[in-house]
Amino acid sequence: AQSVTQLDSHVSVSEGTPVLLRCNYSSSYSPSLFWYVQHPNKGLQLLLKYTSAATLVKGINGFEAEFKKSETSFHLTKPSAHMSDAAEYFCVGLMNTGFQKLVFGTGTRLLVSP
Amino acid sequence: EPEVTQTPSHQVTQMGQEVILRCVPISNHLYFYWYRQILGQKVEFLVSFYNNEISEKSEIFDDQFSVERPDGSNFTLKIRSTKLEDSAMYFCASSVTSANEQFFGPGTRLTVL
Repeated sequence: AQSVTQLDSHVSVSEGTPVLLRCNYSSSYSPSLFWYVQHPNKGLQLLLKYTSAATLVKGINGFEAEFKKSETSFHLTKPSAHMSDAAEYFCVGLMNTGFQKLVFGTGTRLLVSP
Repeated sequence: EPEVTQTPSHQVTQMGQEVILRCVPISNHLYFYWYRQILGQKVEFLVSFYNNEISEKSEIFDDQFSVERPDGSNFTLKIRSTKLEDSAMYFCASSVTSANEQFFGPGTRLTVL
C-alpha cells in the first residue's frame, strides 16, 4: 500500500466488549496489509497479515481483520476485549518498490477499562 | 521461537558522538531493515539491506547513517555524528524474503543530549 490511515488515535473500551480499530489504505495495486501491536517498552509484534488470499484474516489473541476493497478498509476487530489487549496498534502496508518497505499508520492506542 | 535481538536497549550519547546500534536478525533471514520512531510520531522506514548492500533507503538516511553486516550474524546501524533530532526508538527487522512479513526486535532507545 502506498499509504495507510488510522482513523482513531485513541479507542477506549470496557473489558468484555468488542474492539474495532479502523484503517483505510491507498494503493494503486493489490496491497499487502498487516496489523502490528506494540506493548509498552516492547517491540512490534505481528498480529495478522493480508496478502490477497482470504479477505477475512484471523490473527493471534482472537483478533481478526477484514479486507474490503470497495471501502479500501482493513479494520481490526475482536469480539471481547481483555485487559492485556491494552497497547498501541499499527496498521501497516507493504510498499512494492522493488524491495519491500513497510509504511506505518500513525497508530491507535487501545485503552481497556475493567 | 527465533527472534530478532537488539543491543543496547537504551543508549545515551552526547551530540556529535558516533553511535553503533546492533541487531542480530533471525538466522535464516536474508533481508534486513532499520526503522525509527521518534517519540509521539509514526514508525518510519530508514533502510533495507540485502546481499551485503543497501537495497533501498529513505530521505532520512543521509550521509550520517551507514549500515553494515560485519559478520554472519550481526547487522549494525551507525550514526556518525549524532544530532538532538536523532533521539528516537530504533527498530531492526528481518524477513526471509522481501515479500514475507518482517519480524521486529524490541528496539534501542537512543537519547542524544
